[in-house]
Amino acid sequence: TQLLEQSPQFLSIQEGENLTVYCNSSSVFSSLQWYRQEPGEGPVLLVTVVTGGEVKKLKRLTFQFGDARKDSSLHITAAQPGDTGLYLCAAWDNYGQNFVFGPGTRLSVLP
Amino acid sequence: KAGVTQTPRYLIKTRGQQVTLSCSPISGHRSVSWYQQTPGQGLQFLFEYFSETQRNKGNFPGRFSGRQFSNSRSEMNVSTLELGDSALYLCASSLEAGVNEQYFGPGTRLTVT
Repeated sequence: TQLLEQSPQFLSIQEGENLTVYCNSSSVFSSLQWYRQEPGEGPVLLVTVVTGGEVKKLKRLTFQFGDARKDSSLHITAAQPGDTGLYLCAAWDNYGQNFVFGPGTRLSVLP
Repeated sequence: KAGVTQTPRYLIKTRGQQVTLSCSPISGHRSVSWYQQTPGQGLQFLFEYFSETQRNKGNFPGRFSGRQFSNSRSEMNVSTLELGDSALYLCASSLEAGVNEQYFGPGTRLTVT
């Protein structure tokens, strides 16, 4: 059983559409991170959310941390081909010993 | 400021051999973590080093080991390679241990034949 679940697994949309991807767990986290990874490169940190209910915006990307700090969402407005990539959520496990990644959502934005 | 660098970028080894991968963190970063990424298992945490000491270790066999030098550079070693060790090995650095903001290198693509 994965500590972090992500949905959908794959998403293919047209340029200009909006989308939301989800990261869920049965565990409570003190903080959670979102990364984007492009082919042939390492993940790049997008945001860290810490407070339950917190909303952070990064240009067209909006990140929300659930009130109970068990889940998070990433919403992209007016997606662009440059948003294409693998979106990963990650967090330290409850013991602070293992940094866990979700399986990722692979997004493809078609021009 | 230069990013995290990993060498080599690509490597082909034969089953049973051993391999050493190298990671140079961002200047000033004292923590280095290693990850294995495969299509089937995704990104999995191998271990974290801070001040030349292994601070945390993921669920990998003892064939996977690492070390960190006084300049924070780190190496990862895999002995008795198996076909299933074929993966992208990623290194990440951060200012301190156990913090959230990690900066990843481009990875070393290891193929075991």
